[in-house]
Amino acid sequence: NAGVTQTPKFQVLKTGQSMTLQCAQDMNHNSMYWYRQDPGMGLRLIYYSASEGTTDKGEVPNGYNVSRLNKREFSLRLESAAPSQTSVYFCASHPLDSGRSTTEAFFGQGTRLTVV
Amino acid sequence: AQRVTQPEKLLSVFKGAPVELKCNYSYSGSPELFWYVQYSRQRLQLLLRHISRESIKGFTADLNKGETSFHLKKPFAQEEDSAMYYCALVVSNFGNEKLTFGTGTRLTIIP
Repeated sequence: NAGVTQTPKFQVLKTGQSMTLQCAQDMNHNSMYWYRQDPGMGLRLIYYSASEGTTDKGEVPNGYNVSRLNKREFSLRLESAAPSQTSVYFCASHPLDSGRSTTEAFFGQGTRLTVV
Repeated sequence: AQRVTQPEKLLSVFKGAPVELKCNYSYSGSPELFWYVQYSRQRLQLLLRHISRESIKGFTADLNKGETSFHLKKPFAQEEDSAMYYCALVVSNFGNEKLTFGTGTRLTIIP
């Protein structure tokens, strides 16, 4: 049982380049999330998907797009990378049980992205 | 909108001393609160949840609705407790849920 798998683990981009961060979970969870982690800022929600076929903006969505390809996969795309997007990105998944979220979220190992 | 506040970015405590990591929340509904921990070079993982009223690795957290707080406590700190701690709030609304984190507190245990 792999849990939540993110790829790649590390990436360096030039300003203006595009890339997609991949995330997959094998726990049949409904909800999936993308966060960025910056020193002193904690975890900030970029986008989330409460269920297959739905996506919603989080706290810091500008410069990003997402795609919930199926129940397992939730990708994050940077269309034109900027240095301000240098960060560590985490994907997470969470089961949804009758509308009550009493169980834990599971996280990927993170993607360290540097934009130069 | 829901919000989670962790006022301390850094906290240093001597080994064997008590630890308290503060967390306050704002949410008009019935909150579901969690503490997550990130040890060095590891992914975030759940430490404990308020609904379970459990003690994990000696840590406890009590939900105080009057003070809108969910502080994490441990009576005697250990070196392996050094980590980044995040308080989190889950809001569920007709199947649409969101997990919101605080800014985190980096706890360092001094030997």
